[in-house]
Amino acid sequence: AQSVAQPEDQVNVAEGNPLTVKCTYSVSGNPYLFWYVQYPNRGLQFLLKYITGDNLVKGSYGFEAEFNKSQTSFHLKKPSALVSDSALYFCAAEGQMDSSYKLIFGCGTRLLVRP
Amino acid sequence: DAGVTQSPTHLIKTRGQQVTLRCSPKSGHDTVSWYQQALGQGPQFIFQYYEEEERQRGNFPDRFSGHQFPNYSSELNVNALLLGDSALYLCASSSTGAPNYGYTFGSGTRLTVV
Repeated sequence: AQSVAQPEDQVNVAEGNPLTVKCTYSVSGNPYLFWYVQYPNRGLQFLLKYITGDNLVKGSYGFEAEFNKSQTSFHLKKPSALVSDSALYFCAAEGQMDSSYKLIFGCGTRLLVRP
Repeated sequence: DAGVTQSPTHLIKTRGQQVTLRCSPKSGHDTVSWYQQALGQGPQFIFQYYEEEERQRGNFPDRFSGHQFPNYSSELNVNALLLGDSALYLCASSSTGAPNYGYTFGSGTRLTVV
């Protein structure tokens, strides 16, 4: 079965420090990869996506993600965390085989940035 | 430019009842997908509508059905509600074949079944 894994339920980081939120995927073919953020009682906000090309993808609010095909990973990063970055982060993949049109989500990682 | 609009934002239903949720896609988008997000979980794909037809379906029972209208808006219907149907229902719109590929999500409808 195709899946996306986010191995950490929660990531804690001090404001100003770099942050990493991990994601690995098991999706056939060359999937499109996404990161979304969710604030309380809100929908999902798009951060960035990888389709092809450069392995380092830059997105909204200073976030970036590194694609690693050999490790099937797509980790989210930010050089300097802000308290306002505290939220729930979801990694998602969309397979490109068998006319797949759905996003497969991980279970989410809660990011807590302390002042 | 309006994003994805979902209605209602919250509702409470009793077991066995039926519910209809509505979604208006982002301007320029022609495809609508529905997801169920249970508490503490990632969203799960229910189905996707394109050209007024269900193009793909996730692992959900037939109690979950949908419709897409000529203006690309969509409805999600759930019959014979169960307690386990309590969740945040998210609508996502996209443009099939568009060069700037991506999904735009609405804020969701919080359904509580009692």
